[in-house]
Amino acid sequence: SYELTQPLSVSVALGQTARITCGGNNIGMKNVHWYQQKPGQAPVLVIDRDSNRPSGIPERFSGSNSGNTATLTISRAQAGDEADYYCQVWDSNTAVVFGGGTKLTVL
Amino acid sequence: QITLKESGPTLVKPTQTLTLTCTFSGFSLSTSGVGVGWIRQPPGKALEWLALIYWDDDKRYSPSLKSRLTITKDTSQNQVVLTMTNMDPVDTATYYCAHSRGYGTPHDYWGRGTLVTVSS
Repeated sequence: SYELTQPLSVSVALGQTARITCGGNNIGMKNVHWYQQKPGQAPVLVIDRDSNRPSGIPERFSGSNSGNTATLTISRAQAGDEADYYCQVWDSNTAVVFGGGTKLTVL
Repeated sequence: QITLKESGPTLVKPTQTLTLTCTFSGFSLSTSGVGVGWIRQPPGKALEWLALIYWDDDKRYSPSLKSRLTITKDTSQNQVVLTMTNMDPVDTATYYCAHSRGYGTPHDYWGRGTLVTVSS
């Protein structure tokens, strides 16, 4: 089955740029979606199909996908960006696959 | 405005069958491409996708849980039902249902989730 690998944690200084990676075999050939989840809340879609921001998501959130790695980039990180972030793809064999999640800490 | 809400028991005993209902509004499961999925999250752990049903009754299941899961829809009632057999304490989790606008698209709207505890 298809697997997605994320770092357990990423730290970023306030106002700086955070990058969260999602690794998978030839993931660049798939559409990658990213979710943000704050404690006690349901996940929120922040990036759709590699790099598209849903309505209401700040421009500070962007995404890219190539080769074996997809990346969520959060520019000018704010305290309110502290959350768990999950990548997700659609696989023909497994259907929906989530990464293990990354905890973002804003210092 | 799309909304989804999960309902079902908060406590089930080991070996019992769990039945969860997702009641939604703002879209129809008879619309081409639309799907509703179930995702769970054990306390302090990662999201785990469970199952998804589409407008045309196409059903997909997590390979690791396929033998225990059944997903059905009632289009007239705007509901999707998930059953999971042979519940175990490791199945303790918050269970979410979520909308998908088509194959391969993300879950763009989520319910608030319902916590199910498995304990004797």
